[in-house]
Order: sequence, then structure tokens, then C-alpha cells
Amino acid sequence: DIQMTQSPSSLSASVGDRVTITCRASQDISNYLAWFQQKPGKAPKSLIYAASSLQSGVPSKFSGSGSGTDFTLTISSLQPEDFATYYCQQYNSYPLTFGGGTKVEIK
Amino acid sequence: EVQLVESGGGLVQPGRSLRLSCAASGFTFDDYAMHWVRQAPGRGLEWVSSISWNSVNIGYADSVKGRFTISRDNAKNSLYLQMNSLRAEDTALYYCGKDRWGGAYGTFIEYWGQGTLVTVSS
Repeated sequence: DIQMTQSPSSLSASVGDRVTITCRASQDISNYLAWFQQKPGKAPKSLIYAASSLQSGVPSKFSGSGSGTDFTLTISSLQPEDFATYYCQQYNSYPLTFGGGTKVEIK
Repeated sequence: EVQLVESGGGLVQPGRSLRLSCAASGFTFDDYAMHWVRQAPGRGLEWVSSISWNSVNIGYADSVKGRFTISRDNAKNSLYLQMNSLRAEDTALYYCGKDRWGGAYGTFIEYWGQGTLVTVSS
């Protein structure tokens, strides 16, 4: 099974900050990576697929990069509505696996 | 507008069974793979199972293999998860999801339902 490791597990940031979250796969997954945002008490929301393609309707302040084993999700200017938990997920092979999540909190 | 509405959750004793349903609307259901993903209280996301558009390709997490069965009825635009031999560790919010593509294998969830809570306890 492919293990997905996110770092950090949590971070504190201020409105306007640039935030970067890392996701590392235990083996090469090419670009078969998706990112999700989950706010408390809500279902997850798809942000990015194929490592860097923005889901329709997702603001351009979100961007993804990487291939192979190392990936990043960047929020260019953090806004109050961006405080949430973010998950990566590989879909290179079964079983599909998620990272453990990164909680972005207000500083 | 894509809508996914899960139902069937509830409190169940260990060892018993439960069947979850997901009613889909707003898209051509039989064009897409579908998924179940769960989230234990205060924990992260865990993939449970996926099924291709034609039910030919199915996958399960090791933690549920042999106990859970995913199925779909394209005529009814519905996805199901039959859960047998339930354990306390199956307690979670179960989400139904529509895949991004209509390929032979499920990839990731583009649209998520709101979830149905399953609690396994005596």
C-alpha cells in the first residue's frame, strides 16, 4: 500500500500569509494526487486533482505542484474562510490512501 | 446541481449488519465510478470502497474486505454499502462520493455527500 505523509500536521498562520502544505508518497505516484479542504462539521471539498489542476469553482489562490513522491499545496494569501483541515489523496493504485491531514489555524 | 444524499446510518450492536444507501441526482449516474469514504470521530479520512460505473471493477480497504459489500443500481441512481459483522472501529461518518471521471477505475471524489453516521456499540 502507498503511504501518504502530510506535514506539518498543524500550523498557525495569519490572514494574508502564504501557506504551504507538503504531502509525500511512499512510492512514485506520478501526478495522481488530489487535495481536499474540510471545514469543521462539513463534508470535504475537492480543490485540486492531477497534482496541479484546479477543480472548477476553486479560487486561484490555491495551487498545487509536484510529481513522483513530493507534492505541495499552496494558499497564496490566507483568508478567514481558508482555515480548515487539508488532506491529500493518491489515486495511482488501490487501495486509495489519504494523508493524515493538516489543520490550518488562526494565529 | 450534483446531489448525493446518504441514509441508513444509526446505532447498531457489534456483530450486526447495516445497509447504507446514497441517492444521486444532478448527473448521469451510470457514467461515473462511485466511492464510500469514512471518518471516525475526530480522525482523518479513510477510503472504504469504490465501484466502477458498470460494477465490474470494485475495490475495498483491507479493514473492511470480506465484511462490506459495495453495489449500485444504475436504474435507481443509487449506491449502496452492505456492512456485516460490524465492529466498534467501524464507528464513523460515512460519505458517498462521485468520481471525477468515468473511467474503468475510481480515482478520487469530485462531489461529496453530507454523510451518514454509523455507531457500533452495545
